[in-house]
Amino acid sequence: SQQGEEDPQALSIQEGENATMNCSYKTSINNLQWYRQNSGRGLVHLILIRSNEREKHSGRLRVTLDTSKKSSSLLITASRAADTASYFCATVPGNTDKLIFGTGTRLQVFP
Amino acid sequence: EAGVAQSPRYKIIEKRQSVAFWCNPISGHATLYWYQQILGQGPKLLIQFQNNGVVDDSQLPKDRFSAERLKGVDSTLKIQPAKLEDSAVYLCASSRGLAGADEQFFGPGTRLTVL
Repeated sequence: SQQGEEDPQALSIQEGENATMNCSYKTSINNLQWYRQNSGRGLVHLILIRSNEREKHSGRLRVTLDTSKKSSSLLITASRAADTASYFCATVPGNTDKLIFGTGTRLQVFP
Repeated sequence: EAGVAQSPRYKIIEKRQSVAFWCNPISGHATLYWYQQILGQGPKLLIQFQNNGVVDDSQLPKDRFSAERLKGVDSTLKIQPAKLEDSAVYLCASSRGLAGADEQFFGPGTRLTVL
């Protein structure tokens, strides 16, 4: 079963705008990871945030984690056409050692 | 470093036929995963190996799917016999440690179409 649910399912923005994607999950976690998937580079890891962390940054990416609400958000600032892809959150539930992917958000960035 | 290699990239078969996929993980990565990704969904874990031992295969349909990882390196995933609902992309991934600690590196996938 899929633990994470991303919101929105699809998002269209112009280059230069910010894109925010949300992920909600059901059970306690060890960590939460965000992945990007496009036809050119396949599925690529973006950021891993542990359950005791609240925020992480990587370049134009900012991830927050609220374990009390069982939710996370991914912010992409100053988006580019090359950011067009599907974005997945994936969780490692607290009692397992496996990664469970959500349903994904399809992001379209128009030049 | 070289990435995760998979072959073939595409495969079309008739239902009830057999098919096998091959994966070569990143050198030195102890953990290997096979995922199934149906169009429009996120990847679903089928089986996870730590070296050449199975860590989790709870979502592997064992009546038709099998996987092995000989000598803790390469792995093969087999489907016998295939059903229409097996049409999907099969992704192989590897990581240095278990999923709880390390990021996973994914191969390009094998797109299977069952007619």
